[in-house]
This record gives sequence, structure tokens and C-alpha cells, in this order.
Amino acid sequence: TQLLEQSPQFLSIQEGENLTVYCNSSSVFSSLQWYRQEPGEGPVLLVTVVTGGEVKKLKRLTFQFGDARKDSSLHITAAQPGDTGLYLCAGSHAGGTSYGKLTFGQGTILTVHP
Amino acid sequence: DTGVSQNPRHKITKRGQNVTFRCDPISEHNRLYWYRQTLGQGPEFLTYFQNEAQLEKSRLLSDRFSAERPKGSFSTLEIQRTEQGDSAMYLCASSPQGGDQPQHFGDGTRLSIL
Repeated sequence: TQLLEQSPQFLSIQEGENLTVYCNSSSVFSSLQWYRQEPGEGPVLLVTVVTGGEVKKLKRLTFQFGDARKDSSLHITAAQPGDTGLYLCAGSHAGGTSYGKLTFGQGTILTVHP
Repeated sequence: DTGVSQNPRHKITKRGQNVTFRCDPISEHNRLYWYRQTLGQGPEFLTYFQNEAQLEKSRLLSDRFSAERPKGSFSTLEIQRTEQGDSAMYLCASSPQGGDQPQHFGDGTRLSIL
């Protein structure tokens, strides 16, 4: 069983603070995707990272894929109340019999207070 | 809107009843996935279709669950003799074929068993 450990599970911060969410596994993934989910809605894709060591930036969000493609991090700079939501990492295997099915972490519930 | 569409959005039923959910993927996507998400957890993989062929099923999918994608377009997920433990959000996602293609999710069907 390939597991993704996501931490922290809960994060409550003030507007303007920085934060980092971690996603770790003992398995190697061909790619890793980060999603954001709001209550009552489906996950919305933020980014896909595929190359070990890759760094991608999306405005105030910075995503990094570990060199060994077993871990990833999401860093948010100067968090805003609109960043509040559930953040999910999900690993994928492109080859073999897995056909790209996603293995999700438990999620990080982020609350940014004004 | 040409995103993934799921119906119904909410379903409340008594234990022991059968329920069926529908997913309409993005039209040019030939991969379709079903996931289940319980409160406070990340989604868990249930099953995967490539066109009309169901290529993988999770052990989570008991004999009471059946999924179809008869013409390679929309898919249905049926749960027979529902149990309390079936209460969850059922998410559908689709992606193009090939490599590490990102999955796009619908807003899910929230199932509540009374």
C-alpha cells in the first residue's frame, strides 16, 4: 500500500503569515498533484510536479517535488483569508497497472484569520 | 461549463435502499475515475475506466458496488442495499489518456444513509 503522509493536519494562522504543508511517502511517484477543496465541492487542481527537484510557483504559492520524487511541499507566502480551505496532495503512477490513479494524503485544513 | 458533472449533488436514503449516481466527464477525456471521500479525509480510489473498459477496482469496492461506462462517455455508480458506512462524498474525475495527465474532479454526490 502506497501511503502519503500529509502534515500538519490542521493549520490556523493570521493573515500575512507564511506557512508550509508537507507531503511524505516511502514510495516513488511519477508525479504529484496538489489540490484545494472547499466544503461541498470537488478538489480543484493547483499544480502538477513531475521532475525530481522541480519547483513551481503560482502567485504566492510555491510547490516543490523532492529529488527522489517521494515527497513534496507547498509554501504559501503572506496568507490571506481567501486561502482558507482543504489542501490535498496526491501521488500518481503513470506506468504499470495503476493507470494514473491517485493516492491522496489526509489533507491539511488551513484557516487564515483576518 | 465543460467540466466534470455529477448528479445528483445530494442523496438521502434509508438503509437498505439502492442508489445510483451519474458522472459526465469532460468530453474529450477517455479516462474516468471514481473516488470516495469521508469527512476529514482525502479521497480514496474506488475504480477506473479507460473508455468503456473497467480496468481496476479497489478492495474498497464491495460486491454491493457496481460501476459502468457503457459507451465510454458517462458513467454510473450503483450501491445496492446501502449501509450506514456508505455515507460519504462520491467523487468522479476524468483525464486524457497518456502519461501523467492531471485529473479534473466534479463536485461530487453527497450520500447520507438514514
